[in-house]
Amino acid sequence: DAGVTQSPTHLIKTRGQHVTLRCSPISGHKSVSWYQQVLGQGPQFIFQYYEKEERGRGNFPDRFSARQFPNYSSELNVNALLLGDSALYLCASSLEGGRIDEQYFGPGTRLTVT
Amino acid sequence: ILNVEQSPQSLHVQEGDSTNFTCSFPSSNFYALHWYRWETAKSPEALFVMTLNGDEKKKGRISATLNTKEGYSYLYIKGSQPEDSATYLCARLSPHDMRFGAGTRLTVKP
Repeated sequence: DAGVTQSPTHLIKTRGQHVTLRCSPISGHKSVSWYQQVLGQGPQFIFQYYEKEERGRGNFPDRFSARQFPNYSSELNVNALLLGDSALYLCASSLEGGRIDEQYFGPGTRLTVT
Repeated sequence: ILNVEQSPQSLHVQEGDSTNFTCSFPSSNFYALHWYRWETAKSPEALFVMTLNGDEKKKGRISATLNTKEGYSYLYIKGSQPEDSATYLCARLSPHDMRFGAGTRLTVKP
């Protein structure tokens, strides 16, 4: 079975631009979560989706949005990019996003904003 | 404690040594604690999910304990091997949030 996949692997954008990151969960997993990881820190929770509904949201500005599709894949959108948005963006999937569900992480998308 | 804190920040041990590190977290609104291993150039890999006070989990040479009343968890590695070199992350789950610590970076020297 394929693991969690993310695209693109790397991305370079300019300040003020918009970016869309994509994530495909493990087959059978209905929950997807997004994290931002800056060097030297642990991943910061951005969103969790389950069955296309937002279940949780971290402390990120409204420039960050996400959605989940009927096939459970997900997109993370970031508008009006800032230099500080440069980070590794991780997607994780789990069966139902419950508290005992293990999360399986994708390889991440490295975003550089110049 | 307001955030999830891990100590030490980094650790260097010799092959064969046993080691342990700590994850401290707010004890209120606690749902679960997750431990992950993150090797360089790979994705974080789930080690344990712990929910109950007094929980103990074991996977091979790695084990973990949980104290939800005082808000801490210990991760133990017995007889460290070079392949154990990685960053070990803990994450505290509350109703609508998952908060990670900054990790403990373990280096095992042959």
